[in-house]
Amino acid sequence: EIVLTQSPGTLSLSPGERATLSCRASQTVSFSYLAWYQQKPGQAPRLLIFGASVRATGIPDRFSGSGSGTDFTLIISRLEPEDFAVYYCHQYGNSPTFGQGTKVEIK
Amino acid sequence: QVHLVQSGAEVKKPGASVKVSCRASGYTFTGYFMHWVRQAPGQGLEWMGRINPSSGETNYAQKFQGWVTMRRDTSISTAFMELTRLRSDDTAVYYCARDNGYFDHWGQGTLVTVSS
Repeated sequence: EIVLTQSPGTLSLSPGERATLSCRASQTVSFSYLAWYQQKPGQAPRLLIFGASVRATGIPDRFSGSGSGTDFTLIISRLEPEDFAVYYCHQYGNSPTFGQGTKVEIK
Repeated sequence: QVHLVQSGAEVKKPGASVKVSCRASGYTFTGYFMHWVRQAPGQGLEWMGRINPSSGETNYAQKFQGWVTMRRDTSISTAFMELTRLRSDDTAVYYCARDNGYFDHWGQGTLVTVSS
């Protein structure tokens, strides 16, 4: 099983600031099968990024993903009020796993 | 427009079983695997397994083998997840999610509370 470790656990930032979220895998993630989701309280996760760097339909371009192999990054270039949420990385190989999440909170 | 609509909240006693449904619409049900993911209160996401709605073939996470069963009824475009021998730490929101490689659409979640 591929273990995904996200850092930091919590990111305290102000609207307009840049957020950098990290996801490190215990083994190489094949074919960059790495996705990012946003989850707000009481809601289901929402797909943001797949294939490590491809934005899902309707996702604003302030969200960008990068990385390959074992190290992946989600960047939110300028935080909007609606971006404060929990973010999960997810490797969707043969036996999918999720990171433990990074909470982006208002400073 | 893709929709996954899950059944309502359940309260169960320890040792009981629960069955959650996930009705799909807006796409060809048999064309995409369906996964089940759960989230305990205040915790992260945990993958439970998947079903191929076309063949009925299933793959379960090792942790859940022997006590989860996933089925489907193609006539009503619905996937089902049954968890047996419930314990208090099975209290969680259970989600279905469509497989497009990644999980591109999710149900709204079903809260299952296990309490004596």
